Amino acid sequence: DAKTTQPNSMESNEEEPVHLPCNHSTISGTDYIHWYRQLPSQGPEYVIHGLTSNVNNRMASLAIAEDRKSSTLILHRATLRDAAVYYCILRPLRTSGTYKYIFGTGTRLKVLA
Amino acid sequence: DTGVSQDPRHKITKRGQNVTFRCDPISEHNRLYWYRQTLGQGPEFLTYFQNEAQLEKSRLLSDRFSAERPKGSFSTLEIQRTEQGDSAMYLCASSSSQLREQETQYFGPGTRLLVL
Repeated sequence: DAKTTQPNSMESNEEEPVHLPCNHSTISGTDYIHWYRQLPSQGPEYVIHGLTSNVNNRMASLAIAEDRKSSTLILHRATLRDAAVYYCILRPLRTSGTYKYIFGTGTRLKVLA
Repeated sequence: DTGVSQDPRHKITKRGQNVTFRCDPISEHNRLYWYRQTLGQGPEFLTYFQNEAQLEKSRLLSDRFSAERPKGSFSTLEIQRTEQGDSAMYLCASSSSQLREQETQYFGPGTRLLVL
């Protein structure tokens, strides 16, 4: 199973952009990159996903490196409500017999007022 | 779309007792997953259903754990003879295979179990 590596923690000032990196050097050509976040005492919340091209939605942007060995989740203007643990996960496009997510320990984002 | 719901949200039990958790997935989702999360760690996969069939089980799912999904709708996770090491957040997620490459898992709020 392909693994991801993320920094344990990051800090950002409120209303400033935040770039959360993820390394996935063993990614295969058919793995999607998914990002989730988890607020305290809640289940993980879907943020965004992509395969090769950069993606935007109302929550965030996802920038994927050309070689796909890394990606960056971009929060354009951090708010206090964005303080959470952010997980980067690889999901196979075509089943290898499993659909499970493999979570790492994620990045704990602190947003300073 | 009311999202994935789980019941109860919190459970305190004594060591050796049996507990059962329920998960109601998003109504049109045919896939359902159980994960376990301990403090400071990311969720760990336990088991997965497609409709009523249990297709994958993690080695974490010891013989004290059993999961069912009768009729392919809600699912239950039972832990028999609970141990203190079972204390964790138990998360349920669901997804739809019809979305193919857009398939995404949506998680419930979890059931927090404390075994005394």
